[in-house]
Amino acid sequence: GQQLNQSPQSMFIQEGEDVSMNCTSSSIFNTWLWYKQDPGEGPVLLIALYKAGELTSNGRLTAQFGITRKDSFLNISASIPSDVGIYFCAGLTGRGNNDMRFGAGTRLTVKP
Amino acid sequence: DAGVTQSPTHLIKTRGQQVTLRCSPKSGHDTVSWYQQALGQGPQFIFQYYEEEERQRGNFPDRFSGHQFPNYSSELNVNALLLGDSALYLCASSWGTGGGYTFGSGTRLTVV
Repeated sequence: GQQLNQSPQSMFIQEGEDVSMNCTSSSIFNTWLWYKQDPGEGPVLLIALYKAGELTSNGRLTAQFGITRKDSFLNISASIPSDVGIYFCAGLTGRGNNDMRFGAGTRLTVKP
Repeated sequence: DAGVTQSPTHLIKTRGQQVTLRCSPKSGHDTVSWYQQALGQGPQFIFQYYEEEERQRGNFPDRFSGHQFPNYSSELNVNALLLGDSALYLCASSWGTGGGYTFGSGTRLTVV
């Protein structure tokens, strides 16, 4: 089945720094999504991307849907302590296939 | 406006027992998907219910079954529990079967 390779696995950064993480796949996805999960909670949708090449922002977060439809990246600018958590990429192939595939997550730690 | 509600929040069961987890979707949502999230992993798709029918199923054995009620709420049943079934079980709801799911906080199942 389709696998999503997410990197890096973890990041330790200083407050105020920018962060970049990405997700690649050997298969094409028609929708890419980025979620954040805090301890003891379910994933919360940050950004959804529906078109190849699409660049979408949500506050300090920016995500792009790769042209090949096999990758996506998420950038966080000027990180703050509440950005701490696990970030997951997810993909949907569409065409009636609702099996949303997740990457293994990037664990972000922000040092004040 | 209540989001996705799952119950119970935590559960401990013995190997071989059966368990039922419950999910109430976000108001206005008619589709429920269930995911299993092992420790340190991304969620894995179990199945999706729409119009009271199982519309799609992931790579999980028949021990995992579900149901959707006319009010769109859903149950996940797992029979003959194995130690490896210990995980966080997440319910996600949406309007229609496409993406943009809203997740609940999950049920933490421990099988001993």
